[in-house]
Parts: sequence; C-alpha cells; structure tokens
Amino acid sequence: DVKVTQSSRYLVKRTGEKVFLECVQDMDHENMFWYRQDPGLGLRLIYFSYDVKMKEKGDIPEGYSVSREKKERFSLILESASTNQTSMYLCASSFLGSGEQYFGPGTRLTVT
Amino acid sequence: GQSLEQPSEVTAVEGAIVQINCTYQTSGFYGLSWYQQHDGGAPTFLSYNALDGLEETGRFSSFLSRSDSYGYLLLQELQMKDSASYFCAVGGDQAGTALIFGKGTTLSVSS
Repeated sequence: DVKVTQSSRYLVKRTGEKVFLECVQDMDHENMFWYRQDPGLGLRLIYFSYDVKMKEKGDIPEGYSVSREKKERFSLILESASTNQTSMYLCASSFLGSGEQYFGPGTRLTVT
Repeated sequence: GQSLEQPSEVTAVEGAIVQINCTYQTSGFYGLSWYQQHDGGAPTFLSYNALDGLEETGRFSSFLSRSDSYGYLLLQELQMKDSASYFCAVGGDQAGTALIFGKGTTLSVSS
C-alpha cells in the first residue's frame, strides 16, 4: 500500500514563528503536492514538485516556501507564521501524468 | 485560469441514486478525477476519466464529456457510509501540471 506520512497531526505555533511541515512518501512518486483545506474553500494548491529540487507555485504560494532535496520528502515552510495560516495542511503524491493522488492524513495547524 | 463548479450540497436516502455534476474551465485539459473525503479524514481517490464516456467501479461510476467540459459522479445503492464530501479535480497529465480541485459537494445520506 502507498503510504504518505506527515510529521504531525496537530501543531500549535505562535505568530512569527518559522514552521516546518514534512511529508514523506514511500512509492517512488515523482510528483508531490501541498494543499491547504479550509471550510467552504475546498483544497487549494500551495506548491508542487515534479522532481527533486524542482518546485512550482500553486494558487496560493504567498507566505510559504518548499524544499525537495530527496525524491521521497517534500517540506512546506512557513517563514513567519500568521493567524490566517491556521488551516488543515494536506500533502499528496502521485506518479507523473497520473490523475490519482495519494494523500497523507493532514496536519491541523493553529497559529495563535 | 482554471475553475471547476460543483454543487455544494446534495441529500439523498439510503438505496437511492445520486449524481454529482462537475463543469470545468481550464487552459489545458488532461483528465477529470474524483475524490471522496469523510469528516476528519484525508481525500481518497475514486476514479479518473481521460476519455469521453462512462467508467464503472462497483456502485460508483464516473462520466466525462470533453466537448461539453462536463463530468459527473454517479453513486448507486446509496449507503449511510457514502455520506462524505466529493471533489472533482482536473489536470494530471504532464510534468509541470497539478490537479486543481473543485470546492467539493457534501453528500448526506439518510435512512
């Protein structure tokens, strides 16, 4: 079974802190994605990567950065957390050219 | 730009059939996917249509019409456990593209 794991299920951080969210997949997928999910807004793409060291902006990249140094690992970084970044963050992975993504369990981040 | 439209809520009773529609506007289209998400859970993949027509997987079927920029998910013999949010998504073919998701349809199944 494909497994996508995320470093934390719940996280509470203070405004201005630097936050790292990690995602690891074990299926040798080329693509990895970070989404945030908010009630009524669906899943919004923050960044994605189709290869090591490659990254592409999604719909809402402002306030976020990413890092992909190894194929299996994709990190989302909040340089200076703000309260409007309180959300559920979902990582996903897929093979190149596939419409089938596998999601991690999500990290519910609260910024106070 | 890209946009997807799907109804925000649908209600039905056990044993019924329900259809969730999705219309899309995209600059480049490669396929239409459907995902299910239960409360508190992660989205899980249901189906992917790259070509026109109907794909059937058990009680669930998905349809695509590329000429109409339209697709739907058909759920038959509804069960209480089908109560969930359903998302359509477009994309997924080449490097440098990602799936773009609709806002989701909440399906409530009652007895």
